[in-house]
Amino acid sequence: RKEVEQDPGPFNVPEGATVAFNCTYSNSASQSFFWYRQDCRKEPKLLMSVYSSGNEDGRFTAQLNRASQYISLLIRDSKLSDSATYLCVVNMNGNQFYFGTGTSLTVIP
Amino acid sequence: DTGVSQNPRHKITKRGQNVTFRCDPISEHNRLYWYRQTLGQGPEFLTYFQNEAQLEKSRLLSDRFSAERPKGSFSTLEIQRTEQGDSAMYLCASSLALYGARDEKLFFGSGTQLSVL
Repeated sequence: RKEVEQDPGPFNVPEGATVAFNCTYSNSASQSFFWYRQDCRKEPKLLMSVYSSGNEDGRFTAQLNRASQYISLLIRDSKLSDSATYLCVVNMNGNQFYFGTGTSLTVIP
Repeated sequence: DTGVSQNPRHKITKRGQNVTFRCDPISEHNRLYWYRQTLGQGPEFLTYFQNEAQLEKSRLLSDRFSAERPKGSFSTLEIQRTEQGDSAMYLCASSLALYGARDEKLFFGSGTQLSVL
């Protein structure tokens, strides 16, 4: 089993739609969690950290469920500029970051 | 310096040749990571340094791969006797890791795209 698993998609949604991605992780002792965004042929960039209490940044909401070992990302009112690959990242032992394969999102006009 | 810098951006080489990549981290960051990414996959961990010490290496890192971080500043990743399977994007990331803190975040460079012919 991979350390971090994501549905690769692709997700094709119309502008203005709400879309949600989930990610599961294998190590229950994992310490910190993140969503990164990666545009085609570019480096991953930090989108947001994920906390047990959940956190929101504008149209983006991230949630962590430790009991079920999954992380979610919700994007509301999708924009064309949201088209990218979204990577789920888990820091499992304080010094190793494991990445999911990424979920591809295309927002259609 | 506002970000992680990697050189070269692209490298085309023939099978069997040696290649070396350089990474300059964000200056105040104490950790430096190397990852490899192929199309359709997430970045895979290769190795990381805390200051000048190489603390962990992935099983993916064969004997042909070596990394250094002299003086805890820039780092180099060398691949000897390259193979076609080494073709990938090699990403460097740096972070500021404080003891006991759990908010360490990775900041990536633009990567070096390696093509082995």
